[in-house]
Amino acid sequence: DQQVKQNSPSLSVQEGRISILNCDYTNSMFDYFLWYKKYPAEGPTFLISISSIKDKNEDGRFTVFLNKSAKHLSLHIVPSQPGDSAVYFCAARFTGRRALTFGSGTRLQVQP
Amino acid sequence: DTGVSQDPRHKITKRGQNVTFRCDPISEHNRLYWYRQTLGQGPEFLTYFQNEAQLEKSRLLSDRFSAERPKGSFSTLEIQRTEQGDSAMYLCASSSLPRRVDTEAFFGQGTRLTVV
Repeated sequence: DQQVKQNSPSLSVQEGRISILNCDYTNSMFDYFLWYKKYPAEGPTFLISISSIKDKNEDGRFTVFLNKSAKHLSLHIVPSQPGDSAVYFCAARFTGRRALTFGSGTRLQVQP
Repeated sequence: DTGVSQDPRHKITKRGQNVTFRCDPISEHNRLYWYRQTLGQGPEFLTYFQNEAQLEKSRLLSDRFSAERPKGSFSTLEIQRTEQGDSAMYLCASSSLPRRVDTEAFFGQGTRLTVV
């Protein structure tokens, strides 16, 4: 059973517009959430994270929102740039554990 | 180079053979992780070491899989009697300096295993 789900396999946006990537989770015991970005032929790269005690975390053009009641998080990229084109993975972690549970990823394409 | 290094980058093996992969973490990182990724999926956790101690293991890590980190530095992942279902990208990651602020995992480029 997939505990972390990314239901949109792909997303295409225009340069300068907002990209919104979504992630749902089923296990309410997750208490820490992360987004990773992956370019072809490279390993995933950490992007931004959020603890379950917060509902928003911002880092430059990237903002992650967490809605615990809906078990939903989203990553907003504003403004989107062609270099943001990559696969984005949502991941979650339990308290006191180091293992990450990843979603299946969303391929973002930012059109110039 | 201060990144996570994995060797080999690619491995093709016949079904039933044993394979071993190596991971060199970022220098002085005391946490090391192995993940497996198949096409169209996100990475799946296999195991986690803190220094030389293997603290977490996934049920995905069957008895054909064994991981070691003997001196708390590099790690090896061995798969015995490989099966076609073992074909995947094997990712290693490391994090955290001792006695310093925790960091998120930095991933290597992975070892792509093809079992024929």
